[in-house]
Amino acid sequence: GEDVEQSLFLSVREGDSSVINCTYTDSSSTYLYWYKQEPGAGLQLLTYIFSNMDMKQDQRLTVLLNKKDKHLSLRIADTQTGDSAIYFCAESTSGNTPLVFGKGTRLSVIA
Amino acid sequence: GAVVSQHPSRVICKSGTSVKIECRSLDFQATTMFWYRQFPKKSLMLMATSNEGSKATYEQGVEKDKFLINHASLTLSTLTVTSAHPEDSSFYICSAWTGGEGSNEQFFGPGTRLTVL
Repeated sequence: GEDVEQSLFLSVREGDSSVINCTYTDSSSTYLYWYKQEPGAGLQLLTYIFSNMDMKQDQRLTVLLNKKDKHLSLRIADTQTGDSAIYFCAESTSGNTPLVFGKGTRLSVIA
Repeated sequence: GAVVSQHPSRVICKSGTSVKIECRSLDFQATTMFWYRQFPKKSLMLMATSNEGSKATYEQGVEKDKFLINHASLTLSTLTVTSAHPEDSSFYICSAWTGGEGSNEQFFGPGTRLTVL
């Protein structure tokens, strides 16, 4: 079945850039997502990218997709303490199919 | 953007009781809703896919008689945990898909934390 893998932890200093990596196995993945989850809260969609795109930038967030290697990354520029959360990578083949989530990367920002 | 609500946000119940969780799309009609379950410090696992007016499709290993799903309208899906046990304690999250060609985004509810004593 489909599988999405992420590293579990990342620690960065405030002001530095954070890069969270994700790999997936489903070659038919059409949409790739990054969600943010703060403690005790639901999921917040940060950004998504279509599989025919290589890069998408949205303010401090940059998503890079290497479709050949099935590798997705999320770069957060000028990381702030408020960015501390768990970040989930997810993929789906269409809007009406369920998302397959990675285990999440816990980002800790050190002041 | 589209808003999905869940009610209740938190519930504590005794073992053996049933608990109903509601998932509502507030400003759009949701053709399809998904129910996920998240264990502490774990990822979200899909439980079932709920289509309005039809029976839910359950993932392997999810007991359909224990987790009753009803998608009675285009804005409401309910998940009832019947005869709850402590191992059912978890964070339950729903998502809704607006439908339509080219629509790829699912909108997530804030989640319901269930604690079974």
